[in-house]
Amino acid sequence: AQTVTQSQPEMSVQEAETVTLSCTYDTSESDYYLFWYKQPPSRQMILVIRQEAYKQQNATENRFSVNFQKAAKSFSLKISDSQLGDAAMYFCAYRSAYPNFGNEKLTFGTGTRLTIIP
Amino acid sequence: GAVVSQHPSWVICKSGTSVKIECRSLDFQATTMFWYRQFPKQSLMLMATSNEGSKATYEQGVEKDKFLINHASLTLSTLTVTSAHPEDSSFYICSAREDAYQETQYFGPGTRLLVL
Repeated sequence: AQTVTQSQPEMSVQEAETVTLSCTYDTSESDYYLFWYKQPPSRQMILVIRQEAYKQQNATENRFSVNFQKAAKSFSLKISDSQLGDAAMYFCAYRSAYPNFGNEKLTFGTGTRLTIIP
Repeated sequence: GAVVSQHPSWVICKSGTSVKIECRSLDFQATTMFWYRQFPKQSLMLMATSNEGSKATYEQGVEKDKFLINHASLTLSTLTVTSAHPEDSSFYICSAREDAYQETQYFGPGTRLLVL
């Protein structure tokens, strides 16, 4: 079974600065997807960024980028120019690339609460 | 973008009553919907996977008779908490995916359930 670990329960960053959230995972599969979801106080889960394991290029979405290290099974999220609206709980998630029965679900980490300091 | 709605957004009920939560995909057809439960300051716990037209697949430890899931159409899945008790109080979130080859799940805004 796959596991996702977020070792930082809480992080804080000054507004306009850069912060990196860590995520490691364990899997025996060679092809899979990784995601970062954001859950603000409203508790609406919002997709931030996704990475396909077979792509070596790190995904980027505006101020959000990932550092995907497949061999190390690491998938960190970098937020540049942090804004007050970035304050949220961030969850890392894993999904198998093989949509067979039972492999289609997301496995979430325990989350990192990000605080933005004005 | 893909939008998923949930109704109601919050509900308070008496112990012993049943509560139905609806999850709708508004701008796409969802062959698969997922139901999660989230306790305060914790991660999402998958309860069940629901495929349109077939029985839901429940995760280990989730009572099928307690949490009834119906996915009768490609845009609607319902979760019914039967004979609710205070320990069922939680935040319930649904997500939807267009088909098995679409890896991204889109989440609804969640439903807060409080059982008195």
